[in-house]
Parts: sequence; C-alpha cells; structure tokens
Amino acid sequence: NAGVMQNPRHLVRRRGQEARLRCSPMKGHSHVYWYRQLPEEGLKFMVYLQKENIIDESGMPKERFSAEFPKEGPSILRIQQVVRGDSAAYFCASSPQISNQPQHFGDGTRLSIL
Amino acid sequence: AQTVTQSQPEMSVQEAETVTLSCTYDTSESDYYLFWYKQPPSRQMILVIRQEAYKQQNATENRFSVNFQKAAKSFSLKISDSQLGDAAMYFCAYRSPIIQGAQKLVFGQGTRLTINP
Repeated sequence: NAGVMQNPRHLVRRRGQEARLRCSPMKGHSHVYWYRQLPEEGLKFMVYLQKENIIDESGMPKERFSAEFPKEGPSILRIQQVVRGDSAAYFCASSPQISNQPQHFGDGTRLSIL
Repeated sequence: AQTVTQSQPEMSVQEAETVTLSCTYDTSESDYYLFWYKQPPSRQMILVIRQEAYKQQNATENRFSVNFQKAAKSFSLKISDSQLGDAAMYFCAYRSPIIQGAQKLVFGQGTRLTINP
C-alpha cells in the first residue's frame, strides 16, 4: 500500500557538491513528475518522465539539473554543483499510464545548501 | 501558457464556520482539469477535490465543494463546518487535457488558512 516514496526526507549539501533525490512512484504508475517549491511559494513544474524517456523538461534549469527514470529503479533528480538558491523542497508525483487520474505526491525532499 | 492566481495570501475562519478560497486561471483551452490541494505543516500535498471543465456540475467532497465558473475562469473552494485540522496552505492547480501530452500541474501561489478555535 505504499504511496509515492521519496528519499531522503532531508538533504544537506555544501555549495559545489552534488545532490541526488530519489522517487519511487506508486505501484502501477509509470509517469513521474518533479516539482520544486521555494519557501512561501507554490510548486513549480520541473520535468515529466516516463520509463526511460523525458517527456517534458520545460521547467528544468538548463544547467546543473538532470533527471532520469530508468527501466529499473527509482527516478533520480540530480543537481550538480549546488548553490544556495537550490535550497527548496522538491516534490515527486506519479500517475498511471492512462492518466485522467490526479497525480499523487510524495512527502518531498527538503534540500538545504550550506 | 496557463497561469493560476490565488489573490488571498492568508485567510482565517472561526471553527465550524464556512470559508471560501478564491482561484482564477487563464487558458485558451476549452477542456482541462482543476484541482485543490492541501499542504499542512507536515508538507504533504493532499488532493482535496478535482473538477473536469466539461462537467457543469460543481464537484463536492464531504465538507468541501467548488464553485466552478468556466466563463469567468474562476474556481473557488468552499469549506463548510471548518475544523482545526483544515488549517493548511491550499493550492489551486490547473492541468491541460491528457491528449495534448502536457500533464504538468500549474499551481497558484497558495492561500494560508487559519482556523480560530
């Protein structure tokens, strides 16, 4: 009965390090979405993936950010050379293949950059 | 591009009273989905209610109902008999129809709802 699982729940990195955020979708869901929430703001779309394919990355910064959803294993959001402005909550959501269904969200990863 | 606007950064209501949260959106599409999500201090994103634009009937879920005015592009959330557990940030969200493949949610800025005992 697992929902969308994100880990870690909290991640602390120093400037210049890499951050890897993981997301396992709900069972039976093949679509994954990543959103970023800055303090006191709404969620902003970053990227939409299906297994082994990036469908829409229009919200992803052009540099330092990448995402994947391999055939096996969780989806990964990777941030290279992190900066203070990357501090935010990162949410993953998933939905089934036939997707008139709403997206189900994980509990988010709070990324803090020292 | 679609936009969603929540013009009330904060709202408060007495316990057991009714409160309405406002949301407007801008789109050129005729068919779409609208959602209200609740984010309590635990930071989870919890779906409260959804509305398909082609349905004229307003959606209801127990104490939660919407007033969907398609021509005005308005989608307000009414919470009846407010309870302390309703205290949270509330986000209005828009999603394009799935046939266009653009399934991302576009969120408003949020409204922080406080329930006064």
